[in-house]
Amino acid sequence: DSGVTQTPKHLITATGQRVTLRCSPRSGDLSVYWYQQSLDQGLQFLIQYYNGEERAKGNILERFSAQQFPDLHSELNLSSLELGDSALYFCASSVGSSVNEQFFGPGTRLTVL
Amino acid sequence: GEDVEQSLFLSVREGDSSVINCTYTDSSSTYLYWYKQEPGAGLQLLTYIFSNMDMKQDQRLTVLLNKKDKHLSLRIADTQTGDSAIYFCAEKRGGANNLFFGTGTRLTVIP
Repeated sequence: DSGVTQTPKHLITATGQRVTLRCSPRSGDLSVYWYQQSLDQGLQFLIQYYNGEERAKGNILERFSAQQFPDLHSELNLSSLELGDSALYFCASSVGSSVNEQFFGPGTRLTVL
Repeated sequence: GEDVEQSLFLSVREGDSSVINCTYTDSSSTYLYWYKQEPGAGLQLLTYIFSNMDMKQDQRLTVLLNKKDKHLSLRIADTQTGDSAIYFCAEKRGGANNLFFGTGTRLTVIP
């Protein structure tokens, strides 16, 4: 158990809908990272927040957004969902904004029908 | 190129050693990682190596780094059936906070 929690574990929804994925980092970690794992794209970095502020952006679509709250949990919002958004979404956390170790949560499996 | 490359599959017999290879892309990468993903589970950090090291050993795991060739390997000694999983190498490129992952190698341990 990495100490990073994600909810829900599974999510099934329809095209065009909007969903919110939630992540709680390990106790004491200030950075949260979101990654997407899909069959065709592999594991890709989406976005990072550090202590409430956006720190780095990767291959995140405009339909997706994220935020980190004062209690350091983070939410990833996915809107206007398409079939191709079906994937495993992982959250990871680390102590600082640029440190050696990132610890991953169990992931949320999103299925868009 | 942009991709971190790994072989897709590896099969070994229980008790043998496994060697999983990875070629990364950025000579300025500061840290290189190995993660393990079991079916239906998240990514477990196994070990990592700083770029100024050649080797790191941690119990049954040995990581070898060849910076000249940008080649990283993970050796698992006395491989067990519980080691069956997908193994990802990842690099932390200079100036970036996030990790860049390889395609993953699916290790199958045959009893």
